[in-house]
Amino acid sequence: NAGVTQTPKFQVLKTGQSMTLQCAQDMNHEYMSWYRQDPGMGLRLIHYSVGAGITDQGEVPNGYNVSRSTTEDFPLRLLSAAPSQTSVYFCASRIAAQGEYEQYFGPGTRLTVT
Amino acid sequence: AQSVSQHNHHVILSEAASLELGCNYSYGGTVNLFWYVQYPGQHLQLLLKYFSGDPLVKGIKGFEAEFIKSKFSFNLRKPSVQWSDTAEYFCAVRTSNTGKLIFGQGTTLQVKP
Repeated sequence: NAGVTQTPKFQVLKTGQSMTLQCAQDMNHEYMSWYRQDPGMGLRLIHYSVGAGITDQGEVPNGYNVSRSTTEDFPLRLLSAAPSQTSVYFCASRIAAQGEYEQYFGPGTRLTVT
Repeated sequence: AQSVSQHNHHVILSEAASLELGCNYSYGGTVNLFWYVQYPGQHLQLLLKYFSGDPLVKGIKGFEAEFIKSKFSFNLRKPSVQWSDTAEYFCAVRTSNTGKLIFGQGTTLQVKP
C-alpha cells in the first residue's frame, strides 16, 4: 500500500489563481480530512468527509472547497488564492469516522501564495 | 466547541533530562487522545494513543502519557530525552460525537547534545 499520497509537494501561486491539491489513499478508508499547518497554530481542520458523496466543514473552511466522488480521492480546491492561504497542507485518512482507529497522514503540500 | 491547549510552546532540554509536555482539552464527553510527533522536514507520526482502559499508555521510543479525566489532561512524558527527540509534538483529541480530530498548537522540543 502506498498509504496517503499528496500532489504536488510544492506549489507557488499568484494571488487570485486557482488550483487543486490532490489527495489519494489506497487503504479503502471511509474518513478523509484536510488540515493546514501554520507556525504556532498547530494543525487546523479545513474540511472532512465521512464517505463518498459526504463532506463537511472543519474549523477553517473559508476559501476552500472539497468533493468526494470516490472513496480513494479527496481533492482540495482553492478557488481564488490569497496570501493568507500560504501554508503546509496535510491530507489524512482513517478507516471510519467513529471507532478506535488511527489516522494516517500524507507527506504534505507546501503552498506559497504571492 | 472542543479545543486543545498545549501550554509549552518551546522547550529546550539537555540530553538525559526528563520531559513532560502538557496537554489539556475542553470537552465533556468521551474522547480519544493522541500524541503525534513531526521530525524536521517530515510528516506526522503517531507516538501513542488512548482509547479506553489503563489511563497510562506507552508509545514508541520510550514515550508515555497519562490520561487524567478529572483534569481533562493528557500529558506526555519521557524519563530521559535524546538529541534525536528534537521535533515538534502535537496533542490531538477526537470526540465521540463528531469524529473530528482537533490538534493543539504544538510544542517545539529542542534537545541539546
